[in-house]
Amino acid sequence: EADIYQTPRYLVIGTGKKITLECSQTMGHDKMYWYQQDPGMELHLIHYSYGVNSTEKGDLSSESTVSRIRTEHFPLTLESARPSHTSQYLCASSEGARNIQYFGAGTRLSVL
Amino acid sequence: SQKIEQNSEALNIQEGKTATLTCNYTNYSPAYLQWYRQDPGRGPVFLLLIRENEKEKRKERLKVTFDTTLKQSLFHITASQPADSATYLCALPLSGAGSYQLTFGKGTKLSVIP
Repeated sequence: EADIYQTPRYLVIGTGKKITLECSQTMGHDKMYWYQQDPGMELHLIHYSYGVNSTEKGDLSSESTVSRIRTEHFPLTLESARPSHTSQYLCASSEGARNIQYFGAGTRLSVL
Repeated sequence: SQKIEQNSEALNIQEGKTATLTCNYTNYSPAYLQWYRQDPGRGPVFLLLIRENEKEKRKERLKVTFDTTLKQSLFHITASQPADSATYLCALPLSGAGSYQLTFGKGTKLSVIP
């Protein structure tokens, strides 16, 4: 079992609310990632970080933002949630050239 | 950018048989290819990695092959069990060797029938 944790596991929220999805890992990995996955669809990379104070946008455009102030913590924030943000959000971390990614259990977000 | 196609969205197989899943990719040849397992409502779990200079990799009942000429990887589960039922994803580096970003296929949902 990977030591990467996401909270909350489920979130139902109204349109316009600000939300933060938490992701923490205890493996000391430099690289962390956020993916968005809709049912039956592939994972899409929305943000990644190669270390503290390093963040980049992924290949899927997202209105969310991320921060990496500490190695172990990589939160994702939506300033104003919309129904189009309804999805599963998966956090992952990796280390080394083989880039094996360890995933959290995910946050399933529903915006009403 | 790299595009991945996994042979079918769903595969049903009888317990004890060998399941074979296919992953095809376009464009450049990646330095490595990975396979993950994903259970409903959970994050993917890494299974195997195979490098471009390796033809085959094994781990217990799992076997992965990598054919850079065909731009294809095959994933085999021998003596399949109902507990093997899950969605299996293949993943490649997003852009060439040395990238730390992965692109994932949609996956093949495997159901092993007792």
